Amino acid sequence: EAGVAQSPRYKIIEKRQSVAFWCNPISGHATLYWYQQILGQGPKLLIQFQNNGVVDDSQLPKDRFSAERLKGVDSTLKIQPAKLEDSAVYLCASSRGLAGAYEQYFGPGTRLTVT
Amino acid sequence: ILNVEQSPQSLHVQEGDSTNFTCSFPSSNFYALHWYRWETAKSPEALFVMTLNGDEKKKGRISATLNTKEGYSYLYIKGSQPEDSATYLCALPGSSNDYKLSFGAGTTVTVRA
Repeated sequence: EAGVAQSPRYKIIEKRQSVAFWCNPISGHATLYWYQQILGQGPKLLIQFQNNGVVDDSQLPKDRFSAERLKGVDSTLKIQPAKLEDSAVYLCASSRGLAGAYEQYFGPGTRLTVT
Repeated sequence: ILNVEQSPQSLHVQEGDSTNFTCSFPSSNFYALHWYRWETAKSPEALFVMTLNGDEKKKGRISATLNTKEGYSYLYIKGSQPEDSATYLCALPGSSNDYKLSFGAGTTVTVRA
């Protein structure tokens, strides 16, 4: 089966600019996650979708970050405006189900550098 | 959000040697533990999902054990090869009702030929 696709792989922007990331999960996976991984730290969950509904966005900085999952399949994550501290790898993952015992399948990530 | 600690932060091992490292977590409300391997420029890949105290899982030369009562899991690599060089992440959901995975910072393994 095809894996989780993400684009772009790399992005460099200046602070206060906007950026968007795209994710296409594994076909049939109802649950989709966006993580932020800052160098030296483990991935931190930003938002979790079940189909096209938000399950958890408690760690999403909603003043600048937004995400949507179109028709319960593809998803986009947007940052507007970006700050220097947003420099990180943004990972998208999907899983068959919502429960914490389902393994997650990750995309290759987008490495964002904010200058 | 759980406090998940991994040690050591990094280690170097000679090709052919075996190694192991630790993931520590709060023992209360345990539901499951995930191990992932993340090679440079690749996607993180699931190794194991463990749910039972005393569970042992094996995948090739990599194995893992779980002690939920004392709150730790060990990952072992037997006969390390250069392709084992990666960051190994462990992660746990908060509980059976809290699906968010809390990740440790990882152990970065470098295998020297």
